[in-house]
Amino acid sequence: NAGVTQTPKFRVLKTGQSMTLLCAQDMNHEYMYWYRQDPGMGLRLIHYSVGEGTTAKGEVPDGYNVSRLKKQNFLLGLESAAPSQTSVYFCASSEIGLREQFFGPGTRLTVL
Amino acid sequence: SQQGEEDPQALSIQEGENATMNCSYKTSINNLQWYRQNSGRGLVHLILIRSNEREKHSGRLRVTLDTSKKSSSLLITASRAADTASYFCATDPSGAGSYQLTFGKGTKLSVIP
Repeated sequence: NAGVTQTPKFRVLKTGQSMTLLCAQDMNHEYMYWYRQDPGMGLRLIHYSVGEGTTAKGEVPDGYNVSRLKKQNFLLGLESAAPSQTSVYFCASSEIGLREQFFGPGTRLTVL
Repeated sequence: SQQGEEDPQALSIQEGENATMNCSYKTSINNLQWYRQNSGRGLVHLILIRSNEREKHSGRLRVTLDTSKKSSSLLITASRAADTASYFCATDPSGAGSYQLTFGKGTKLSVIP
């Protein structure tokens, strides 16, 4: 089992460009999450999903959109990237009620 | 807003010593979890302690929970250089409709060989 995978691993964007980060999990988990991690800030939740076709806002959702068309995939989109979105992005998944989260390896995004 | 706050922010010890990290939180919880993050990697779940538990062990890890003080501690005994990492506590707040964990800012542990 691959667990949680993220693509790409690294990306550099110019201000105003758009991109999509892909998260995939092969554990049949219902819940999926997108976090960003900045120095000194810990992890902050961007959006999450409690099942296929559902999404909800987390702590810092502005500037991001998500979709969960298939249970195993959770996409994070940046429509118009800003330097403030330079960060490391982590995807995670968990079973219903278990609450232990399984994390992907992260995507390092730089917006110039 | 972040509910869990780890203390200290950084800790440096010699190999073989014990390392203790603390976490304080603000609201009632279902459980509290500890995660480890090696440099440049994703977080890895270490241990989960439920609100009705006071202490839990897993190998060299010992976690305590004091719900009256809203605090938890993670003890790593006989530390090894491979324990060098950042450690995060995460709280699962109680209440209907909660699907999120709230992470603290972490304690950066350095174990010197």
